[in-house]
Amino acid sequence: TQLLEQSPQFLSIQEGENLTVYCNSSSVFSSLQWYRQEPGEGPVLLVTVVTGGEVKKLKRLTFQFGDARKDSSLHITAAQPGDTGLYLCAGNAGGTSYGKLTFGQGTILTVHP
Amino acid sequence: GAVVSQHPSRVICKSGTSVKIECRSLDFQATTMFWYRQFPKKSLMLMATSNEGSKATYEQGVEKDKFLINHASLTLSTLTVTSAHPEDSSFYICSARAVFSANTGELFFGEGSRLTVL
Repeated sequence: TQLLEQSPQFLSIQEGENLTVYCNSSSVFSSLQWYRQEPGEGPVLLVTVVTGGEVKKLKRLTFQFGDARKDSSLHITAAQPGDTGLYLCAGNAGGTSYGKLTFGQGTILTVHP
Repeated sequence: GAVVSQHPSRVICKSGTSVKIECRSLDFQATTMFWYRQFPKKSLMLMATSNEGSKATYEQGVEKDKFLINHASLTLSTLTVTSAHPEDSSFYICSARAVFSANTGELFFGEGSRLTVL
């Protein structure tokens, strides 16, 4: 069974601060997705990383996929209250398990004005 | 594109009744859909994988007779919670895999359905 360890589980910061969320595994993933979810809604895809060492930027969000495709990070610069939500990483094992995502435990981010 | 719609978004029912939740891919065909359960402030827990035209594959610990899944077409999967009890109260979410996202494994999620069993 593949596991994705996501940390931290809770993050409470002030507006303007930077933060990083980590997802680590001992398993290799063919791709990894990051989602953001607000209460009472389904997760919304932020980014997909596929290549080892890949870095993708989405405005103030920077996503990195580890060289060995076992880990990933999400860095938010100058966080804003609108960034508040549950952030989920999810890995795709590929092969016969294609599409069956392994989710991290999630990070609840609260950005205070 | 790639919109997945779930219905109902909220449902309240009495203990012992059955509740059906629908998951539709509105603008694409989904050969595979996934059903998740989510507890407050927790991550998604995969319940089952639903393949069009075949029986669903359930994760360990999920009762297949309790959570009936039917994937009747390429755009519709349903989850029926049979003889619901208060402990079945939860947020249920579906996701769909599209052919065009086959290379990346991206999934598209529904809005979720909040089930409350009294």
